[in-house]
Amino acid sequence: QSALTQPASVSGSPGQSITISCTGTTSDVGTYKYVSWYQQHPGRAPKLMIYEVSNRPSGVSNRFSGSKSGNTASLTISGLQAEDEADYYCSSHRSGVGLVFGGGTKLTVL
Amino acid sequence: EVQLVESGGGLVQPGGSLRLSCAASGFTVSINYVTWVRHVPGKGLEWVSVIYNTGSTYYADSVKGRFTVSRDNSKNTVYLQMNSLRADDTALYYCARDFYDSNGNYLYAFDVWGQGAMVTVSS
Repeated sequence: QSALTQPASVSGSPGQSITISCTGTTSDVGTYKYVSWYQQHPGRAPKLMIYEVSNRPSGVSNRFSGSKSGNTASLTISGLQAEDEADYYCSSHRSGVGLVFGGGTKLTVL
Repeated sequence: EVQLVESGGGLVQPGGSLRLSCAASGFTVSINYVTWVRHVPGKGLEWVSVIYNTGSTYYADSVKGRFTVSRDNSKNTVYLQMNSLRADDTALYYCARDFYDSNGNYLYAFDVWGQGAMVTVSS
């Protein structure tokens, strides 16, 4: 069982928006700003999409945005495109442990 | 080009040992943090270990006492020595560079990843 809870799958049609949740505790997501999101296509290494809850690294599309409320962080993808179909993982710093990840969410673009 | 290349994966029997290498190019491992993350097929990612620029090392409880991370500055390479391997260590092992902001603050995120090295523990 992963440390952070994500839905196993989400889906959306091209052009729509979807949101993926990532639920932790007061020991991680609820306390720290160090929440990140990664995109992983089959057979590829993860790619950093969001860091510090809502910041995008250089080169990442502004269709990707992050937020946090209480113990739950969220990744929103607007204007869905076929290339967005991938697995998405959240991570957070956790006190006394270092870093924890979510179990991953498979995004299907219908 | 900034990149990481892992090597050393393979099939090993339970109780055996394996050493993974993570060769860096385009940046210097000795002034960065480098982390090992593993991905169990069909499951999520798991943080395994980190080596700081200071040389300090930290481990997940699941590998503490069995895995050792080190680096060779002359080769710009980080290593993960894995001993007493168990079936539940079977995974794709990635090394990754820790991401810093413009002020040099560590952000608990990874901006460069290797392609991964598969480790299979089975008799």
